[in-house]
Amino acid sequence: DVKVTQSSRYLVKRTGEKVFLECVQDMDHENMFWYRQDPGLGLRLIYFSYDVKMKEKGDIPEGYSVSREKKERFSLILESASTNQTSMYLCASSFASETQYFGPGTRLLVL
Amino acid sequence: AQSVTQLGSHVSVSEGALVLLRCNYSSSVPPYLFWYVQYPNQGLQLLLKYTSAATLVKGINGFEAEFKKSETSFHLTKPSAHMSDAAEYFCAVSEAGGTSYGKLTFGQGTILTVHP
Repeated sequence: DVKVTQSSRYLVKRTGEKVFLECVQDMDHENMFWYRQDPGLGLRLIYFSYDVKMKEKGDIPEGYSVSREKKERFSLILESASTNQTSMYLCASSFASETQYFGPGTRLLVL
Repeated sequence: AQSVTQLGSHVSVSEGALVLLRCNYSSSVPPYLFWYVQYPNQGLQLLLKYTSAATLVKGINGFEAEFKKSETSFHLTKPSAHMSDAAEYFCAVSEAGGTSYGKLTFGQGTILTVHP
């Protein structure tokens, strides 16, 4: 079974803090994705990576950056957290253009 | 550009009744289509997917969906709802192959409530 894990289930941060969300997959997938989920908006793609050190912007990259130094790990970075980044963050991985497998999500509250 | 519209943000059915969750998509290239389910406080789990084989796709937990190109639809159905089906359901589209890397565009989600 594919396993995608995320470093935290719940996180509370202050405005202006730098926040790291980590995602690890154990299936040697090339592609990894970060989404944010907000009620009524579904999931929106922030960034994705198709190989180590390779990344592309998704639909809503502003205020975020990513890092992929190893194939199994994909980090989402909020350089200076703001209250409008309070959301559920979901990581996913896939092989080529096949099914994406999702982690359990991190619920982030920025105060 | 691709887009997905799920008609109805909330659907309520009685246990044993038919479940119908609607999804319409737009895509300039042949699409792959997916339905995912999210139970409370969990990530998304794949229910079923269409990848240009049979137009009627069967998934887990008794769900199925039919790809209708002429209607650009991919509605999700289940003949008889169970209490455990209560969850949020997401329809998603991606471009088939190429350099899309399987990026998904999601609909807004439909919350399914099942009444005893």
